[in-house]
Formats: sequence, structure tokens, C-alpha cells
Amino acid sequence: QKEVEQNSGPLSVPEGAIASLNCTYSDRGSQSFFWYRQYSGKSPELIMFIYSNGDKEDGRFTAQLNKASQYVSLLIRDSQPSDSATYLCAVIIIFYGNNRLAFGKGNQVVVIP
Amino acid sequence: EAQVTQNPRYLITVTGKKLTVTCSQNMNHEYMSWYRQDPGLGLRQIYYSMNVEVTDKGDVPEGYKVSRKEKRNFPLILESPSPNQTSLYFCASSPRGQLGTEAFFGQGTRLTVV
Repeated sequence: QKEVEQNSGPLSVPEGAIASLNCTYSDRGSQSFFWYRQYSGKSPELIMFIYSNGDKEDGRFTAQLNKASQYVSLLIRDSQPSDSATYLCAVIIIFYGNNRLAFGKGNQVVVIP
Repeated sequence: EAQVTQNPRYLITVTGKKLTVTCSQNMNHEYMSWYRQDPGLGLRQIYYSMNVEVTDKGDVPEGYKVSRKEKRNFPLILESPSPNQTSLYFCASSPRGQLGTEAFFGQGTRLTVV
């Protein structure tokens, strides 16, 4: 099983709708989870970090973490064309007392005006 | 300004000609890593370093070397580049051992090996 999995294909949403992205992870000991946004040809930028179970909201973005089921999701409300990008889920994997950041393959989001 | 700087941004080279991509960070971060990104494959870790003189292989280390002689620099070395190493490369740094700290990425290096 891959450390971080994002299995959904490209997601097309109309402007103003909610985009929903999911990510599962394999290491039960993981405690820190990130969502990065990456525009084509650019470097990833952090948009959300979540540490504890439940929801975390930041503007139009909400991250949801369920440790029991080992998944983390990202909701983008009132989607805008500027949200069109690839969204990468990342998880800190802890091994032998050290931390390593593992990424999923990413989900492309296309917001249609 | 806190940043991770990669050079060069773009590079076209020929098969077998050794090259180095530099990475430097000014945030005193212990942890640095190199990724390559290819369509459909996402970010794959090449090598990472927990601290000076401590490096380890990531998911796709074959054909690459790294060194960490000082904290701020983490160069990526391709001793004999091949066309399958054509990719977009990112360097990243973060504080070590601190849960919930983000990785800061460089601007990326687009490498083409012909």
C-alpha cells in the first residue's frame, strides 16, 4: 500500500460549486497532514495544515481529518477559476524517530466559468 | 526573505555530461530533500537529508547523488545523465522533528537530457 494515495481523476467543477478531494494514508502513527496547491510549472504552496481530528477551516478551504479511517479531505467552497490547479496531499511519516514528508500524486481541479 | 533557491531554473544537456543542480536555503532548516515530478507520477522523493553529513535514499535515487557538507546547501548531482532523467526537479527544506511544519519549496529546475 502506498504511503499516501489520491485516487480520483481530474475533477471539473462549475464556478461557485464545492470541490471535494480525498486522500488516504497508510501509517497509523501519522499526525500531521498538509494540502498543497500547485499551478502548472510552479512549485507547490501550502494551503492547509491539519493536526487533530475534525475540521479546520481557512477562508473557502476546509480540511477534514479522520484518523480512525485514515483519510483526510479538502473542500473548496465557492470554487473560482483561480482554484484550477493540482492539489497535493502530504503526510509526515515518522520512522525511527525521524520525520519524512510523503506526497500523494495529486488531484487536478478544473473550475469551469 | 526566507526562501529556497535552486539553480539553474532551466537546463538542457546531453547524455552523459555530468551536471549539478544547486539548492540553498536561508532558514537554518535541518531537513532538505529533492523531488522529481513527472506527469501522472506526482512528486517522488529522490534523496533527503536530516542534517549535515546525513543523507538517505528516497523513492527514486538511482542515477543521482547528493551531498550535505553544510546546513544551507544540498546539491543534486547527476554523474551521467540519461534521457529518462528529463523531469521537473524541486528542492525543499523544513525544520526537522517538528510536527506540523510545512516544507518550503524552491522554484523548480526543468531539466531536459537529449
